[in-house]
Amino acid sequence: AQSVTQLDSHVSVSEGTPVLLRCNYSSSYSPSLFWYVQHPNKGLQLLLKYTSAATLVKGINGFEAEFKKSETSFHLTKPSAHMSDAAEYFCVVMPNTDKLIFGTGTRLQVFP
Amino acid sequence: GAVVSQHPSWVICKSGTSVKIECRSLDFQATTMFWYRQFPKQSLMLMATSNEGSKATYEQGVEKDKFLINHASLTLSTLTVTSAHPEDSSFYICSARVEGIREKLFFGSGTQLSVL
Repeated sequence: AQSVTQLDSHVSVSEGTPVLLRCNYSSSYSPSLFWYVQHPNKGLQLLLKYTSAATLVKGINGFEAEFKKSETSFHLTKPSAHMSDAAEYFCVVMPNTDKLIFGTGTRLQVFP
Repeated sequence: GAVVSQHPSWVICKSGTSVKIECRSLDFQATTMFWYRQFPKQSLMLMATSNEGSKATYEQGVEKDKFLINHASLTLSTLTVTSAHPEDSSFYICSARVEGIREKLFFGSGTQLSVL
């Protein structure tokens, strides 16, 4: 069975400090992996995606994620948090089907 | 970039009425669209897969007579919540897949439905 686990429901950082949002997946196949961001009462915006090319994926707004097959992880990082990064982040796996499987989300708070 | 327009962005209705939500791909064709439901502070749950010109495929536990999906053209899918009840209040989001590219999905901005 395919699944995705976001290890932290809530992460708080100070502005200017690094961000780490953790994600582990389970898939029988080589999946495609995504990170989406959702601001309050808004739709989802794609941050980045991994589709079996380079394992280090760079996304928008300074975010990046590294696909580690041995650890079945796809953690999202950013060197320096900005106030505007405060939002809900979803790790998503797409197995060999069209369906997306969403993690439970991580709420990122950024303090000044 | 590709845009998916979802309308309305929020709607309040009386219990027992029906509400229609539209999802349009503005600059690409989408043979497949997806409808999700999101409860407050929870993740997105796939409700159904909408296929142009054919019946939608519903996920287990989703009432197809309650949530009517129509995908009449390559750029439009609609979700109708029939005889809405307060427990149907939720945030509904659609996504559209670029034809032929499985990983290329774009999301609408969502519809907040409140049933009184």
